[in-house]
Amino acid sequence: NAGVTQTPKFQVLKTGQSMTLQCAQDMNHNSMYWYRQDPGMGLRLIYYSASEGTTDKGEVPNGYNVSRLNKREFSLRLESAAPSQTSVYFCASDSTQGNTEAFFGQGTRLTVV
Amino acid sequence: GENVEQHPSTLSVQEGDSAVIKCTYSDSASNYFPWYKQELGKGPQLIIDIRSNVGEKKDQRIAVTLNKTAKHFSLHITETQPEDSAVYFCAASMGQFYFGTGTSLTVIP
Repeated sequence: NAGVTQTPKFQVLKTGQSMTLQCAQDMNHNSMYWYRQDPGMGLRLIYYSASEGTTDKGEVPNGYNVSRLNKREFSLRLESAAPSQTSVYFCASDSTQGNTEAFFGQGTRLTVV
Repeated sequence: GENVEQHPSTLSVQEGDSAVIKCTYSDSASNYFPWYKQELGKGPQLIIDIRSNVGEKKDQRIAVTLNKTAKHFSLHITETQPEDSAVYFCAASMGQFYFGTGTSLTVIP
């Protein structure tokens, strides 16, 4: 029972490079989320998908794009990475959009140099 | 949007003592309040949650209280053990989670 799986676990990018963070869940959840975690700032929502086929901006969406590929998969893309995007990224999912337990992946530690 | 404040940011207790972490929220529409524990190098995991129609909930050594009038909720851990050492996050939700900034708890053996 994998839960929420994120890839990669670690990544170093040069400024201006692009990359896609992958996330998949096997719990048949409707809602999926991307957060970033920075020291002293908790978890901040980047984008979310309330259900398959929909995506919405969260608190800090600038510099990111997302795709809800199907019910299982939700990817986060950085088109032109900046040092300010150095962070730990978490994907999460839940069954009823913020009204039940959210399950988190193990995180992706991204460094932009 | 919602604003969740969490205190303290760091907390050290002796093994066996109690630990209390407090959060406040701003939007009275929030109706679901989960607490997450994050161990080093891992994603957050739910440890307990409470809904707005309940004032207190307990699960073994962990309890959460909610005061809707004052818009604050607290996590209480009794008989702390070294394995309780972690970062704890509170959250408030009305369909979208808003997280506090976290409390790093250290339990000293």
